[in-house]
Amino acid sequence: EEQLVESGGGLVQPGGSLRLSCTASGFIFSDHYMDWVRQSSGKGLEWVGRSKDKVNGYTAAYAASVQGRFTISRDESRNSMFLQMNSLKTEDTAIYYCGRRPRGGYWYFDLWGRGTLVTVSS
Amino acid sequence: EIVLTQSPGTLSLSPGERATLSCRASQSVSNSYLVWYQQKPGQAPRLLIYAASRRATGIPDRFSGSGSGTDFTLTISRLEPEDFAVYFCQQHSSSPQTFGQGTKVEIK
Repeated sequence: EEQLVESGGGLVQPGGSLRLSCTASGFIFSDHYMDWVRQSSGKGLEWVGRSKDKVNGYTAAYAASVQGRFTISRDESRNSMFLQMNSLKTEDTAIYYCGRRPRGGYWYFDLWGRGTLVTVSS
Repeated sequence: EIVLTQSPGTLSLSPGERATLSCRASQSVSNSYLVWYQQKPGQAPRLLIYAASRRATGIPDRFSGSGSGTDFTLTISRLEPEDFAVYFCQQHSSSPQTFGQGTKVEIK
């Protein structure tokens, strides 16, 4: 069964850091672009960033709202993608999902995880 | 960026009824790069429709998508109990991709 499982969420103070993980199973992880999308009550669904597939060097790109603070990486041996979040702000509070794009890199998601909750609060 | 406006915000219907959900774009969505997702509380979102009208793998044929340009529709022909959920549209024809705010289909 194809599956994505996020982990690593929690409560963190403003200015703090957190590292999220997304672990894939049931498909060839390196063949797909993978993204992070977040969902908050105030902003709905918001794209955070993406990692291209292996043939494209796992190149990352980010939304303007997180550029310079968040970093996406992958560990192919662990079929995992990571989101390192630094200098967190209260507005980063959200459920964070990882999503898989279909082959070809079309910018939609044919598989999602259940998400992990990040709360930024003092 | 393209703004997607979904209507209505909430749809109250009974099982067996037909549901019609709208997604309107602020600019034309080229190549019909419009998708629909279903989301239930505590669950992963699920892809229903891509390319405006193509059902994703395993999606029942009571779900159908239509439309082009700026106006798109998701239709559920006969609501089953498991269909009560929130539905989102997303466009990916223009960067950045964007999502609608969602339509909640609730039991009347």
